[in-house]
Amino acid sequence: GDSVTQMEGPVTLSEEAFLTINCTYTATGYPSLFWYVQYPGEGLQLLLKATKADDKGSNKGFEATYRKETTSFHLEKGSVQVSDSAVYFCALSKGGYQKVTFGTGTKLQVIP
Amino acid sequence: DGGITQSPKYLFRKEGQNVTLSCEQNLNHDAMYWYRQDPGQGLRLIYYSQIVNDFQKGDIAEGYSVSREKKESFPLTVTSAQKNPTAFYLCASSIHFPGTNEKLFFGSGTQLSVL
Repeated sequence: GDSVTQMEGPVTLSEEAFLTINCTYTATGYPSLFWYVQYPGEGLQLLLKATKADDKGSNKGFEATYRKETTSFHLEKGSVQVSDSAVYFCALSKGGYQKVTFGTGTKLQVIP
Repeated sequence: DGGITQSPKYLFRKEGQNVTLSCEQNLNHDAMYWYRQDPGQGLRLIYYSQIVNDFQKGDIAEGYSVSREKKESFPLTVTSAQKNPTAFYLCASSIHFPGTNEKLFFGSGTQLSVL
């Protein structure tokens, strides 16, 4: 079946450091890929998405590129802030009445 | 503002007791979902509903029940048969059952604990 694998956390960075959170997937067909973010005590909210190979999703300084050859969708940000501290989930969706598949989440802690 | 409202934020269950978690949306979305989140784990799908008066089991439906009598509402009952109910429960919705490009909208969650 479909699956999403994320790097284990927690990831601890100093403010203004470069962020990479790795995400790889296994799926047949042509899924769409998503990054969701969960702030403490809250639900998830969509951060960015990409719907086909070589697409780049971006939002709030975060970027991720859909790499079909490496089945990856790594999340990057050039300069993190304390307010970016949250749990980040990678997910895929194939549509066609199939459910969304989530990774296990990666906790990011940014220290001043 | 449109959104998903979950209540209560915190809920405590006694042994042998059934409890119901509320989820209401005013987004006019057809599809609604219940997920369970445990520390260090991803989201696991409990139940989903594509349309009013219809719902399907997800990956971990045992010990849970749902109803979908109104488009706006999708309550989840955690029954006494669920032996390990302590978790963070998230309700979500989407315009339709997710097409490839559709995103999920989430509520702010209910933390359920056993007394």
